[in-house]
Amino acid sequence: ETGVTQTPRHLVMGMTNKKSLKCEQHLGHNAMYWYKQSAKKPLELMFVYNFKEQTENNSVPSRFSPECPNSSHLFLHLHTLQPEDSALYLCASSQGTGQNTEAFFGQGTRLTVV
Amino acid sequence: DAKTTQPTSMDCAEGRAANLPCNHSTISGNEYVYWYRQIHSQGPQYIIHGLKNNETNEMASLIITEDRKSSTLILPHATLRDTAVYYCIVRVANIDMRFGAGTRLTVKP
Repeated sequence: ETGVTQTPRHLVMGMTNKKSLKCEQHLGHNAMYWYKQSAKKPLELMFVYNFKEQTENNSVPSRFSPECPNSSHLFLHLHTLQPEDSALYLCASSQGTGQNTEAFFGQGTRLTVV
Repeated sequence: DAKTTQPTSMDCAEGRAANLPCNHSTISGNEYVYWYRQIHSQGPQYIIHGLKNNETNEMASLIITEDRKSSTLILPHATLRDTAVYYCIVRVANIDMRFGAGTRLTVKP
């Protein structure tokens, strides 16, 4: 238990569906992140939020839409996804985005697009 | 471009020390060395980090060479549950945290 909770753990969706991934952290952290991990590939940073403001968008397609209503919650809204978007989506949080702060990860949402 | 080089895989006998090397020859003065591990299909788990000095916590020890161009993560008494992919990352800030392929450590009975 890392203090970062992701729901759902598994999700299967069709290419025309709209779904959302949720992340909640109970660590009092100010920064939250979305990562994508495709099969046989390294983790890829997608988005960074610091104090609810988006500070990084790593050239992510617009079919992925993040939302950070407060420092404890982070969402990833999904629409018209492609099968190649199937992956493990990981949320992380840290106390700030600085150099001497470790990030804690959730267990991830395993997404399958059919 | 993960800035680090790690062996693809390593084996270790249960109960023995596991020494995982990492080369980071282009590290700059303000970059920290972080280690995470990922057990199959779970989120990465933070292990330890350091800047210049050697560090130890309840999970592991981190030995950084004096020139900071390489480091070694030491798991003093490896167990079967330590089987995972271990990532060495050098970074200035969390937004710069890029994961490479890591080292797949297999602890054998």
